[in-house]
Amino acid sequence: SQTIHQWPATLVQPVGSPLSLECTVEGTSNPNLYWYRQAAGRGLQLLFYSVGIGQISSEVPQNLSASRPQDRQFILSSKKLLLSDSGFYLCAWSGLAGGPPIDTQYFGPGTRLTVL
Amino acid sequence: AQSVTQLDSHVSVSEGTPVLLRCNYSSSYSPSLFWYVQHPNKGLQLLLKYTSAATLVKGINGFEAEFKKSETSFHLTKPSAHMSDAAEYFCVVSDHEQTGANNLFFGTGTRLTVIP
Repeated sequence: SQTIHQWPATLVQPVGSPLSLECTVEGTSNPNLYWYRQAAGRGLQLLFYSVGIGQISSEVPQNLSASRPQDRQFILSSKKLLLSDSGFYLCAWSGLAGGPPIDTQYFGPGTRLTVL
Repeated sequence: AQSVTQLDSHVSVSEGTPVLLRCNYSSSYSPSLFWYVQHPNKGLQLLLKYTSAATLVKGINGFEAEFKKSETSFHLTKPSAHMSDAAEYFCVVSDHEQTGANNLFFGTGTRLTVIP
Protein backbone atom coordinates (compact mmCIF):
# COMPACT_ATOMS: atom_id res chain seq x y z
CA SER A 1 0.00 0.00 0.00
CA GLN A 2 1.01 3.59 -0.51
CA THR A 3 2.05 5.91 2.30
CA ILE A 4 3.09 9.53 2.37
CA HIS A 5 5.36 11.09 4.95
CA GLN A 6 6.05 14.69 5.86
CA TRP A 7 8.56 16.18 8.24
CA PRO A 8 8.96 17.91 10.43
CA ALA A 9 5.50 17.78 11.98
CA THR A 10 5.87 21.20 13.54
CA LEU A 11 8.39 23.98 13.03
CA VAL A 12 8.92 27.41 14.57
CA GLN A 13 11.26 29.67 12.63
CA PRO A 14 12.28 33.34 12.87
CA VAL A 15 11.53 35.78 10.08
CA GLY A 16 14.32 35.80 7.52
CA SER A 17 15.48 32.25 8.21
CA PRO A 18 15.54 29.51 5.53
CA LEU A 19 13.02 26.71 5.24
CA SER A 20 13.07 23.14 4.03
CA LEU A 21 10.06 20.84 4.30
CA GLU A 22 10.27 17.33 2.98
CA CYS A 23 7.67 14.95 1.62
CA THR A 24 8.24 11.37 0.53
CA VAL A 25 5.89 8.78 -0.91
CA GLU A 26 6.27 5.02 -0.60
CA GLY A 27 4.62 2.22 -2.51
CA THR A 28 4.12 3.91 -5.87
CA SER A 29 6.18 5.07 -8.81
CA ASN A 30 5.95 8.22 -10.93
CA PRO A 31 3.35 9.93 -8.77
CA ASN A 32 2.12 13.45 -9.31
CA LEU A 33 3.11 15.44 -6.23
CA TYR A 34 1.57 18.56 -4.73
CA TRP A 35 2.24 21.17 -2.06
CA TYR A 36 -0.68 22.99 -0.47
CA ARG A 37 -0.85 25.66 2.20
CA GLN A 38 -3.73 26.04 4.59
CA ALA A 39 -3.79 29.36 6.41
CA ALA A 40 -5.72 29.68 9.67
CA GLY A 41 -9.48 29.68 9.03
CA ARG A 42 -9.07 29.36 5.29
CA GLY A 43 -9.24 26.64 2.68
CA LEU A 44 -6.40 24.95 0.87
CA GLN A 45 -4.27 26.80 -1.62
CA LEU A 46 -2.28 24.83 -4.19
CA LEU A 47 1.30 26.10 -4.23
CA PHE A 48 3.18 23.72 -6.52
CA TYR A 49 2.70 20.49 -8.37
CA SER A 50 5.08 18.14 -10.13
CA VAL A 51 4.46 15.50 -12.77
CA GLY A 52 8.03 14.17 -12.76
CA ILE A 53 11.59 14.58 -11.52
CA GLY A 54 12.75 18.15 -11.97
CA GLN A 55 9.34 19.26 -13.30
CA ILE A 56 7.74 21.89 -11.09
CA SER A 57 4.72 24.07 -11.80
CA SER A 58 3.99 27.04 -9.60
CA GLU A 59 0.43 28.08 -9.05
CA VAL A 60 0.94 31.38 -7.25
CA PRO A 61 3.82 33.85 -7.04
CA GLN A 62 5.35 33.71 -3.61
CA ASN A 63 8.35 33.51 -1.38
CA LEU A 64 8.58 29.74 -1.70
CA SER A 65 10.08 27.27 -4.16
CA ALA A 66 9.79 23.54 -4.70
CA SER A 67 12.10 20.85 -5.99
CA ARG A 68 11.78 17.20 -6.87
CA PRO A 69 15.24 15.65 -6.77
CA GLN A 70 13.94 12.07 -6.78
CA ASP A 71 10.83 10.38 -8.10
CA ARG A 72 9.14 10.13 -4.73
CA GLN A 73 10.62 13.12 -2.94
CA PHE A 74 9.19 16.62 -2.97
CA ILE A 75 10.79 19.51 -1.10
CA LEU A 76 9.38 22.92 -0.25
CA SER A 77 11.93 25.64 0.43
CA SER A 78 12.42 29.28 1.16
CA LYS A 79 15.58 31.38 1.41
CA LYS A 80 14.02 33.92 3.77
CA LEU A 81 10.77 33.30 5.59
CA LEU A 82 8.09 35.96 5.98
CA LEU A 83 5.46 36.21 8.69
CA SER A 84 2.84 35.49 6.03
CA ASP A 85 4.44 32.09 5.36
CA SER A 86 2.95 30.74 8.59
CA GLY A 87 0.40 28.02 8.03
CA PHE A 88 -0.25 24.32 7.72
CA TYR A 89 1.57 22.77 4.75
CA LEU A 90 0.22 19.65 3.17
CA CYS A 91 1.85 17.38 0.64
CA ALA A 92 -0.25 15.12 -1.56
CA TRP A 93 0.24 12.55 -4.29
CA SER A 94 -1.86 11.10 -7.07
CA GLY A 95 -1.18 8.07 -9.25
CA LEU A 96 -0.77 7.49 -12.98
CA ALA A 97 -3.02 5.54 -15.32
CA GLY A 98 -2.86 1.86 -14.50
CA GLY A 99 -2.27 2.58 -10.85
CA PRO A 100 -4.47 4.21 -8.23
CA PRO A 101 -7.08 6.59 -9.69
CA ILE A 102 -5.30 9.60 -11.14
CA ASP A 103 -7.83 12.17 -10.08
CA THR A 104 -7.75 11.21 -6.42
CA GLN A 105 -5.18 12.91 -4.23
CA TYR A 106 -3.91 11.41 -1.00
CA PHE A 107 -2.58 13.72 1.65
CA GLY A 108 0.25 13.55 4.13
CA PRO A 109 -0.08 14.44 7.82
CA GLY A 110 1.03 18.03 7.31
CA THR A 111 3.62 20.39 8.80
CA ARG A 112 2.59 23.25 11.08
CA LEU A 113 4.92 26.20 10.38
CA THR A 114 4.97 29.22 12.65
CA VAL A 115 7.10 32.18 11.63
CA LEU A 116 7.85 34.61 14.46
CA ALA B 1 -14.33 26.89 -14.91
CA GLN B 2 -14.50 24.67 -11.88
CA SER B 3 -15.64 25.90 -8.47
CA VAL B 4 -17.16 24.56 -5.31
CA THR B 5 -19.44 26.27 -2.80
CA GLN B 6 -19.96 24.87 0.65
CA LEU B 7 -23.10 26.54 1.83
CA ASP B 8 -22.44 26.34 5.57
CA SER B 9 -19.20 27.30 7.26
CA HIS B 10 -20.32 25.68 10.51
CA VAL B 11 -22.86 22.94 11.28
CA SER B 12 -23.76 21.80 14.77
CA VAL B 13 -25.70 18.60 15.48
CA SER B 14 -26.48 16.50 18.51
CA GLU B 15 -24.93 13.07 18.84
CA GLY B 16 -27.15 10.45 17.24
CA THR B 17 -28.95 12.89 14.91
CA PRO B 18 -28.50 13.10 11.13
CA VAL B 19 -25.73 15.09 9.49
CA LEU B 20 -26.15 17.13 6.29
CA LEU B 21 -23.23 19.07 4.84
CA ARG B 22 -24.14 20.93 1.66
CA CYS B 23 -22.02 21.38 -1.43
CA ASN B 24 -22.76 22.87 -4.84
CA TYR B 25 -20.34 22.79 -7.72
CA SER B 26 -19.76 24.45 -11.04
CA SER B 27 -18.04 22.48 -13.75
CA SER B 28 -17.58 22.75 -17.48
CA TYR B 29 -16.89 19.05 -17.80
CA SER B 30 -18.12 15.83 -16.28
CA PRO B 31 -16.66 16.32 -12.85
CA SER B 32 -15.08 14.07 -10.31
CA LEU B 33 -16.28 15.10 -6.87
CA PHE B 34 -14.83 14.29 -3.48
CA TRP B 35 -15.40 14.78 0.20
CA TYR B 36 -12.40 14.94 2.50
CA VAL B 37 -12.34 15.15 6.29
CA GLN B 38 -9.67 16.90 8.34
CA HIS B 39 -9.30 16.48 12.08
CA PRO B 40 -7.38 19.19 13.96
CA ASN B 41 -3.72 19.40 12.97
CA LYS B 42 -4.06 16.38 10.73
CA GLY B 43 -3.91 15.81 7.00
CA LEU B 44 -6.95 15.34 4.81
CA GLN B 45 -8.53 11.90 4.63
CA LEU B 46 -10.62 10.86 1.65
CA LEU B 47 -14.20 10.05 2.70
CA LEU B 48 -15.67 9.25 -0.71
CA LYS B 49 -15.54 10.13 -4.40
CA TYR B 50 -17.92 10.32 -7.35
CA THR B 51 -16.67 9.57 -10.86
CA SER B 52 -19.79 9.20 -13.07
CA ALA B 53 -20.74 5.73 -11.87
CA ALA B 54 -23.55 5.33 -9.30
CA THR B 55 -24.97 8.69 -8.22
CA LEU B 56 -25.23 7.59 -4.59
CA VAL B 57 -21.73 7.12 -3.26
CA LYS B 58 -20.97 5.35 -0.01
CA GLY B 59 -17.85 6.27 1.90
CA ILE B 60 -16.06 5.43 5.09
CA ASN B 61 -17.41 5.90 8.61
CA GLY B 62 -21.05 5.67 7.49
CA PHE B 63 -20.99 8.75 5.28
CA GLU B 64 -22.56 8.92 1.85
CA ALA B 65 -23.18 11.56 -0.79
CA GLU B 66 -25.56 11.87 -3.70
CA PHE B 67 -24.60 13.45 -7.01
CA LYS B 68 -27.52 15.44 -8.44
CA LYS B 69 -26.61 16.87 -11.82
CA SER B 70 -29.85 18.85 -12.18
CA GLU B 71 -29.13 20.64 -8.91
CA THR B 72 -25.32 20.66 -9.34
CA SER B 73 -25.11 19.37 -5.78
CA PHE B 74 -23.08 16.78 -3.93
CA HIS B 75 -24.32 16.91 -0.35
CA LEU B 76 -22.73 14.74 2.34
CA THR B 77 -24.97 12.89 4.79
CA LYS B 78 -24.77 10.49 7.70
CA PRO B 79 -27.81 9.01 9.48
CA SER B 80 -26.43 9.30 13.00
CA ALA B 81 -23.62 11.58 14.15
CA HIS B 82 -20.87 10.31 16.40
CA MET B 83 -18.62 12.41 18.57
CA SER B 84 -15.63 11.32 16.48
CA ASP B 85 -17.23 12.95 13.41
CA ALA B 86 -16.41 16.41 14.73
CA ALA B 87 -13.96 17.80 12.17
CA GLU B 88 -13.60 20.04 9.11
CA TYR B 89 -15.10 18.71 5.89
CA PHE B 90 -14.06 19.77 2.39
CA CYS B 91 -15.99 19.31 -0.81
CA VAL B 92 -13.68 19.13 -3.81
CA VAL B 93 -14.05 19.03 -7.60
CA SER B 94 -11.38 17.71 -9.91
CA ASP B 95 -10.09 19.74 -12.84
CA HIS B 96 -8.28 16.74 -14.30
CA GLU B 97 -9.89 16.78 -17.73
CA GLN B 98 -9.32 20.46 -18.37
CA THR B 99 -5.67 20.77 -17.47
CA GLY B 100 -4.43 17.19 -17.61
CA ALA B 101 -2.56 17.99 -14.44
CA ASN B 102 -5.06 16.79 -11.92
CA ASN B 103 -5.77 19.98 -10.03
CA LEU B 104 -8.38 19.95 -7.30
CA PHE B 105 -10.64 22.86 -6.44
CA PHE B 106 -11.49 22.97 -2.76
CA GLY B 107 -14.49 24.41 -1.01
CA THR B 108 -13.81 26.63 1.96
CA GLY B 109 -14.79 23.88 4.38
CA THR B 110 -17.58 23.15 6.85
CA ARG B 111 -16.76 22.71 10.50
CA LEU B 112 -18.94 20.03 12.05
CA THR B 113 -19.55 20.19 15.79
CA VAL B 114 -21.21 17.25 17.54
CA ILE B 115 -22.94 18.03 20.82
CA PRO B 116 -23.07 15.24 23.41
